[in-house]
Amino acid sequence: AQSVTQPDIHITVSEGASLELRCNYSYGATPYLFWYVQSPGQGLQLLLKYFSGDTLVQGIKGFEAEFKRSQSSFNLRKPSVHWSDAAEYFCAVGALDRDDKIIFGKGTRLHILP
Amino acid sequence: GAVVSQHPSRVICKSGTSVKIECRSLDFQATTMFWYRQFPKQSLMLMATSNEGSKATYEQGVEKDKFLINHASLTLSTLTVTSAHPEDSSFYICSAPYQPQQGAAGYTFGSGTRLTVV
Repeated sequence: AQSVTQPDIHITVSEGASLELRCNYSYGATPYLFWYVQSPGQGLQLLLKYFSGDTLVQGIKGFEAEFKRSQSSFNLRKPSVHWSDAAEYFCAVGALDRDDKIIFGKGTRLHILP
Repeated sequence: GAVVSQHPSRVICKSGTSVKIECRSLDFQATTMFWYRQFPKQSLMLMATSNEGSKATYEQGVEKDKFLINHASLTLSTLTVTSAHPEDSSFYICSAPYQPQQGAAGYTFGSGTRLTVV
């Protein structure tokens, strides 16, 4: 069965510091991988996605993620965080067969220290 | 492109009443719609999958008589929370897969509905 694990429930970093949010997945075939961000009281916003090709994916807001098949990982990175990056981040895995679905990790809450 | 419009964004209802949430695909045909629920400070949990013209598939533990899903057309899927109770208060989000004419396929999400049952 497909699953997504985000091992860090909370992460705190200082403004301007680099960030890496971890995501590991379990999936029977080549997965489609996503990172979403959710600000308090808001809906989800897609940061980036990986389907195939270059394993380093660039997203919005300066985020990037690297797909590592050997490690079943899709970690999200940002070289320098801003206070506005404080939010909940969700990693998700899915496929686009007609009846498939997207499964979310439990999320990582990012706190930014001034 | 590939926009799903979800309404209402917020709703407050009295305990025992029913609430309907609509997700409408504006510029594509959504043959499949996924319905998610998010409890405060929790992740999204898949509730059910609706397919146009057929019965929805519910995830284990989700009461199909309480959460009625209808997907009568290729552009509209609805979730009705029947006889709502305070424990149904949550954030509900719909999502549909789409395949653009060019570029990679993806999922698009509604903006979510904050349901508060008082």
